[in-house]
Amino acid sequence: GQQLNQSPQSMFIQEGEDVSMNCTSSSIFNTWLWYKQEPGEGPVLLIALYKAGELTSNGRLTAQFGITRKDSFLNISASIPSDVGIYFCAGQFLNNAGNMLTFGGGTRLMVKP
Amino acid sequence: DTGVSQDPRHKITKRGQNVTFRCDPISEHNRLYWYRQTLGQGPEFLTYFQNEAQLEKSRLLSDRFSAERPKGSFSTLEIQRTEQGDSAMYLCASSLVTVYGYTFGSGTRLTVV
Repeated sequence: GQQLNQSPQSMFIQEGEDVSMNCTSSSIFNTWLWYKQEPGEGPVLLIALYKAGELTSNGRLTAQFGITRKDSFLNISASIPSDVGIYFCAGQFLNNAGNMLTFGGGTRLMVKP
Repeated sequence: DTGVSQDPRHKITKRGQNVTFRCDPISEHNRLYWYRQTLGQGPEFLTYFQNEAQLEKSRLLSDRFSAERPKGSFSTLEIQRTEQGDSAMYLCASSLVTVYGYTFGSGTRLTVV
């Protein structure tokens, strides 16, 4: 099925470093969402973006909804070991199949203490 | 409320057997979604319900897959005549109609041997 292009696929960083990941699509979305998934668990919503150009923060996380509505990025500042996991972007086109989500392939983040 | 609950967490079955998974959404949520996630990929939309009505099912992977939500509360996903390619994590999520982004359960991991 269709997926968003998410990069990088994986990152191995030192604790305390900042992290940036992004997501691009050939389609326009009304909403961009960022989820985190840990092993054996379902994705957990981190940030939701509702308007083109919007910049939203949640603690050490900052995400932006691209002006073209076809991209988004997520930054994590001052990474800590518990940030380890897989981060997924997801686009949502309202009223399309009940607001179904289209997911990227994920960015696997590993943090070295 | 403890969130979205899925049962079982793990299922190992022999090829050709039928399996059924259950999802209990957050009680006040009227939308319920099923997604499938294969190893190394993001979740992929399968179907959704609004109350007891299944409003989108064209993305179910084959006619071996079916889902029900008989009283608008819990839902079941059945896979008939399982194949090795059905091995995946099956995720359930729920939301209110007016809320974007969902709450996911922890998933059911299916292994077909």
